[in-house]
Amino acid sequence: GAVVSQHPSWVICKSGTSVKIECRSLDFQATTMFWYRQFPKQSLMLMATSNEGSKATYEQGVEKDKFLINHASLTLSTLTVTSAHPEDSSFYICSAREARGSGNTIYFGEGSWLTVV
Amino acid sequence: DAKTTQPPSMDCAEGRAANLPCNHSTISGNEYVYWYRQIHSQGPQYIIHGLKNNETNEMASLIITEDRKSSTLILPHATLRDTAVYYCIVRVINTGTASKLTFGTGTRLQVTL
Repeated sequence: GAVVSQHPSWVICKSGTSVKIECRSLDFQATTMFWYRQFPKQSLMLMATSNEGSKATYEQGVEKDKFLINHASLTLSTLTVTSAHPEDSSFYICSAREARGSGNTIYFGEGSWLTVV
Repeated sequence: DAKTTQPPSMDCAEGRAANLPCNHSTISGNEYVYWYRQIHSQGPQYIIHGLKNNETNEMASLIITEDRKSSTLILPHATLRDTAVYYCIVRVINTGTASKLTFGTGTRLQVTL
C-alpha cells in the first residue's frame, strides 16, 4: 500500500515553545491530508482537514491559531503546535488521501508523540 | 458519515478465524464500509473496504449483509501480531471534496496462544 511518513516520531518540548510535525506522502500525491490527535486509551479525534493550496478546515473545538496547518505541496503537510502546554501532550497522526482516481483509500502515518514539559 | 457500533473487545485463539462484527444500520446508499486497525502506539493500518459485494484481499475478508446494515471482518488465521484495535467506519467516496474518516471506539481484539 501507499506510504505516509511522519517526522519526528517523538518530540519533547518546553512549555510555551512551538513544535512542527511533518507529514509526507512518499509514493503518491495527496490533495488532502487529515490531522488527528489521540490521547491514551481513546480513539482518534479528527482535528482538521488540510487541502493543498488552500486553508485547512478545522473541526469544532479545535483552535486554528494554536494548531497551524500548512499544505504547501501535494506530498507535504505540516502541523505546528504553537505555545505548547502540557495538555497538548498527545499522539498526533496524519493521513493522506490519494489524488489519483476516486481517492478510495486513506493511508496513515506512523504517528508522532508530543510531550510538553 | 453514518455511525457504527462494534463490540468493545473480543478474544481469539491463535490460528483460528477472528470474526469482527460491525453494525451500521443507518448506512446510506453511497457509503462504503472501511476497516482499519491500530496496533498499540502506531498509526492506523488500512485493511479492506467494500460497498455491497463481499471483498477479500491478502489480509482479510469483508462480508456485507444484503441490506448493508451490518458487516463482518474475517481474519482467517489470526496470529499474535493481529492483536490490535479494529475500527469499522462508513464513508462516502467522491472525487471532489474529500470525505473524512471518523473513528469510533472500535473492537479491541486480543489473540491468545
